[in-house]
Amino acid sequence: AQTVTQSQPEMSVQEAETVTLSCTYDTSESDYYLFWYKQPPSRQMILVIRQEAYKQQNATENRFSVNFQKAAKSFSLKISDSQLGDAAMYFCAYRSAWSGGSNYKLTFGKGTLLTVNP
Amino acid sequence: GAGVSQSPSNKVTEKGKDVELRCDPISGHTALYWYRQSLGQGLEFLIYFQGNSAPDKSGLPSDRFSAERTGGSVSTLTIQRTQQEDSAVYLCASAWVAEQFFGPGTRLTVL
Repeated sequence: AQTVTQSQPEMSVQEAETVTLSCTYDTSESDYYLFWYKQPPSRQMILVIRQEAYKQQNATENRFSVNFQKAAKSFSLKISDSQLGDAAMYFCAYRSAWSGGSNYKLTFGKGTLLTVNP
Repeated sequence: GAGVSQSPSNKVTEKGKDVELRCDPISGHTALYWYRQSLGQGLEFLIYFQGNSAPDKSGLPSDRFSAERTGGSVSTLTIQRTQQEDSAVYLCASAWVAEQFFGPGTRLTVL
């Protein structure tokens, strides 16, 4: 079974600064997807960024980028120019690329609570 | 377009009562998932529907939990004889390919 570990329960950053959230995972599969989701107090889980394991290039979405290290099974999220609206719980998630049954379920880490200080 | 919607937003019930939670997925999404988010267990997969195939119920914690999806669209999660440990946020997600899009969840409180 796959596991996802987020070792930082809480992080804080000053507005306009850069912060990196860590995520490691364990899997025996070679093809999979990794995601970062943001959950503000409204409870709505919002997809921040996605990475396919077969792609060597790190995904980027505006101020959000990842550092994907497949051999090390590491998938960190970097938020540049942090804004007050970035404050939320961030979840790292894994999904198998193999078809069938609950392979398509997301396996989540425990989350990192990000505080942005003005 | 419209996102995933869930109702009710909050539900308070007494121990032993049955509850129904509803999910309206994004139109055209063939896959639908239910997850449970609780303080102690984090986010857990409950059940997965794909088109007209038999659902994957491998994540349901007990036989008090059941779900159905009518017409390949709306889904209802039913919890019978609720227990205090069922208190959690129940999240629904729908998907077309890899990305899952989540609803705002239903917060269930069992007194």
